[in-house]
Amino acid sequence: DVKVTQSSRYLVKRTGEKVFLECVQDMDHENMFWYRQDPGLGLRLIYFSYDVKMKEKGDIPEGYSVSREKKERFSLILESASTNQTSMYLCASSPLLAGGSYEQYFGPGTRLTVT
Amino acid sequence: AQSVAQPEDQVNVAEGNPLTVKCTYSVSGNPYLFWYVQYPNRGLQFLLKYITGDNLVKGSYGFEAEFNKSQTSFHLKKPSALVSDSALYFCAVRSAGNAGNMLTFGGGTRLMVKP
Repeated sequence: DVKVTQSSRYLVKRTGEKVFLECVQDMDHENMFWYRQDPGLGLRLIYFSYDVKMKEKGDIPEGYSVSREKKERFSLILESASTNQTSMYLCASSPLLAGGSYEQYFGPGTRLTVT
Repeated sequence: AQSVAQPEDQVNVAEGNPLTVKCTYSVSGNPYLFWYVQYPNRGLQFLLKYITGDNLVKGSYGFEAEFNKSQTSFHLKKPSALVSDSALYFCAVRSAGNAGNMLTFGGGTRLMVKP
């Protein structure tokens, strides 16, 4: 089974802090994604990466950056956390050559609170 | 651009009754359609997908969904609801031509099954 892990389930940070959210997948997937989930808004794509050191902006990249130095790891960085970044953050991965699967595999999520 | 609409924020059904969670989509070209379920404080779990072939697809936990191209819909159904089906359900779409495997999610529908 595909396993996607996220470094923290719950995180509380102060306004202005630099925040790192880590995601690791164990299935050698090329694609990795970061979403934020807010009530009524569903999941919104922040950034995605289709290869090491490659990244593409999603729908809401402002205030975020990402890093992918190794294939299995994709980090989301909040350079200066703000209260409006309080949310549930979900990481996902999928193979590039879908091979008939196409679905994304999700981690358990990190609930971030910025005070 | 691709989009998904889940018109109901919440669906209430009695245990043992059939359930339907609605989803309509907009996408260029052929759609790939997905349903995911999220239990409290968990990540998203894949339920089922439509890629091609039969319009009625069967998935995990007794769920099924019907692809209707003319109505651009992909409603999730189950013949007999269980209390344990209570969760948040997300519909997602991507275009067949989307090499990056980017999904667009609906806002989610909370399913409440009462004993």
